[in-house]
Amino acid sequence: QVQLKESGPGLVQPSQTLSLTCTVSGFSLTSYNVHWVRQPPGKGLEWMGRMRYNGDTSYNSALKSRLSISRDTSKNQVFLKMNSLQTDDTGTYYCTMLWFAYWGQGTLVTVSS
Amino acid sequence: DVVMTQTPPSLSVAIGQSVSISCKSSQSLVHSDGKTYLNWLLQNPGQSPKRLIYQVSNLGSGVPDRFSGTGSEKDFTLKISRVEAEDLGVYHCVQATHVPYTFGAGTKLELK
Repeated sequence: QVQLKESGPGLVQPSQTLSLTCTVSGFSLTSYNVHWVRQPPGKGLEWMGRMRYNGDTSYNSALKSRLSISRDTSKNQVFLKMNSLQTDDTGTYYCTMLWFAYWGQGTLVTVSS
Repeated sequence: DVVMTQTPPSLSVAIGQSVSISCKSSQSLVHSDGKTYLNWLLQNPGQSPKRLIYQVSNLGSGVPDRFSGTGSEKDFTLKISRVEAEDLGVYHCVQATHVPYTFGAGTKLELK
């Protein structure tokens, strides 16, 4: 069945770069889009960007200058990299696919020194 | 970017009661392919979101038919008939017609 799982460091220092991995199973990255969505503690959801099935990417305009999404189809992984992290980047980061039908369990990222 | 205005921000309900949540978009959500990509999600406390409704009115897999979605263009509604305890949490609307995709601010459904 379809599964997504996020992984990455729980703690990142301010101004550093966040690197997250979404490992998927049960479907091919060359057939479906994968999105990244984040949620600050106690707040709403924010779409960050997507890796399309054909390798194209789209980004939230508010994050575009700091954000990069890539993939390794041989490993069934989608990567998120975001630089210049600040405290308001703290939150839970999710990967999701198929028009939000499937979600990972999320990974909490805390930006703090 | 499309702004999604979701109301009310919170609802206090009794089990068995029916409720509605509204989501209005700043632009039409009709895609050039003719479909309207408006989804409703439920996030139970401490959980990842779960999709309830896709393309305005289509029930997600395994979602009880107590949930229904209606609307068109810029005005959408989620209705929950006969609320059950498992329905408590935060409801989110999200549009996937225009990039960047955008979410409503959420509606917290609580027990009265």
